[in-house]
Amino acid sequence: EADIYQTPRYLVIGTGKKITLECSQTMGHDKMYWYQQDPGMELHLIHYSYGVNSTEKGDLSSESTVSRIRTEHFPLTLESARPSHTSQYLCASSGRPGVNEQFFGPGTRLTVL
Amino acid sequence: GEDVEQSLFLSVREGDSSVINCTYTDSSSTYLYWYKQEPGAGLQLLTYIFSNMDMKQDQRLTVLLNKKDKHLSLRIADTQTGDSAIYFCAEWGAGGGNKLTFGTGTQLKVEL
Repeated sequence: EADIYQTPRYLVIGTGKKITLECSQTMGHDKMYWYQQDPGMELHLIHYSYGVNSTEKGDLSSESTVSRIRTEHFPLTLESARPSHTSQYLCASSGRPGVNEQFFGPGTRLTVL
Repeated sequence: GEDVEQSLFLSVREGDSSVINCTYTDSSSTYLYWYKQEPGAGLQLLTYIFSNMDMKQDQRLTVLLNKKDKHLSLRIADTQTGDSAIYFCAEWGAGGGNKLTFGTGTQLKVEL
């Protein structure tokens, strides 16, 4: 099972602040993902990366940006947070070709006031 | 349809079997998965099945796949209160894309 970590677990901030959500994995997985989970439970892919210096936008348009400078690290940044960004953000990684099972971090619950 | 569909809610008594159903979108999807999410936590991979299989059993979990009807089910035998959670099915490779498409989630409530 992959070890994947997210910090902070909970974040309450004011509108207009810049924030970075951290995600790290220790399994050497090439592929990493960010999902946004709304209160209705559905998960929406917002960013993914297939390796260092590779980032792509997902299905759901997001004002956030990501970077992948190191294999183990995939941070997500919001330059100016708004109440509409309030959500649960889940990070995942996968490393087994073919099966492609994804392992998830515990999530960051973001509330923007 | 475009969405991976699941019933929103299922309630069972402790000790009974639970069956959670899923209709996915693309018969060419290569792998199908079941994830469990407990309150305030991320998703935990429970099991997966390759598309050329009909059934997979793993302890209390049985996955059935009907590729013709694009129907996937998860049966939990001897359901316990600790099984209360949201269950997501997911498919890999829908529409030829290299991504997971998740279902809408089924909330399982286990009552004493």
